[in-house]
Amino acid sequence: DAMVIQNPRYQVTQFGKPVTLSCSQTLNHNVMYWYQQKSSQAPKLLFHYYDKDFNNEADTPDNFQSRRPNTSFCFLDIRSPGLGDAAMYLCATSWTGAYGYTFGSGTRLTVV
Amino acid sequence: DQQVKQNSPSLSVQEGRISILNCDYTNSMFDYFLWYKKYPAEGPTFLISISSIKDKNEDGRFTVFLNKSAKHLSLHIVPSQPGDSAVYFCAASARPAGNNRKLIWGLGTSLAVNP
Repeated sequence: DAMVIQNPRYQVTQFGKPVTLSCSQTLNHNVMYWYQQKSSQAPKLLFHYYDKDFNNEADTPDNFQSRRPNTSFCFLDIRSPGLGDAAMYLCATSWTGAYGYTFGSGTRLTVV
Repeated sequence: DQQVKQNSPSLSVQEGRISILNCDYTNSMFDYFLWYKKYPAEGPTFLISISSIKDKNEDGRFTVFLNKSAKHLSLHIVPSQPGDSAVYFCAASARPAGNNRKLIWGLGTSLAVNP
């Protein structure tokens, strides 16, 4: 089945230690998104790629970076995780201008 | 400024009864609305959507109603089943200025369906 896959499902990292979350898709969608979701909050868009074009949300901290080496893969790098970065990180994909997105299962990040 | 509002953080209903989840929005430029369902430790999954040119869309047990004049939509689940227990997010999008539509999300309503 075509899908969006996030690895790992659960990630524990130390305060200040760089961590990378990965997302892959078999849908061949040209747009990929990274969201952060904390408990009882709506998903918050961090950035998205329209093909290779990177689009950063204005309020996304500099601590968060992303890479998209090809259509299928997208990575979220957190350079120096703080306790406040503990959250569920969701990857989503879509076609240009599509109304809805397809989400992965998410990566639950814990910072200790 | 919350453009999409789900004013009920939680809702509890009996199995077999109707669940009604509400969503209000403020931006009249929104032209498409979606409902997503989310289980704990999972990503949101698409449930049902409606274009602003319609006032109702039905898919099995799920029906979404849109009242544009009131800037209000609701999701009806009939009959409710225990497996419907999840967090339901309302999301909206507007015709994009650039290439991509962005989804604007509500805070979600946690539905509990009791056997």
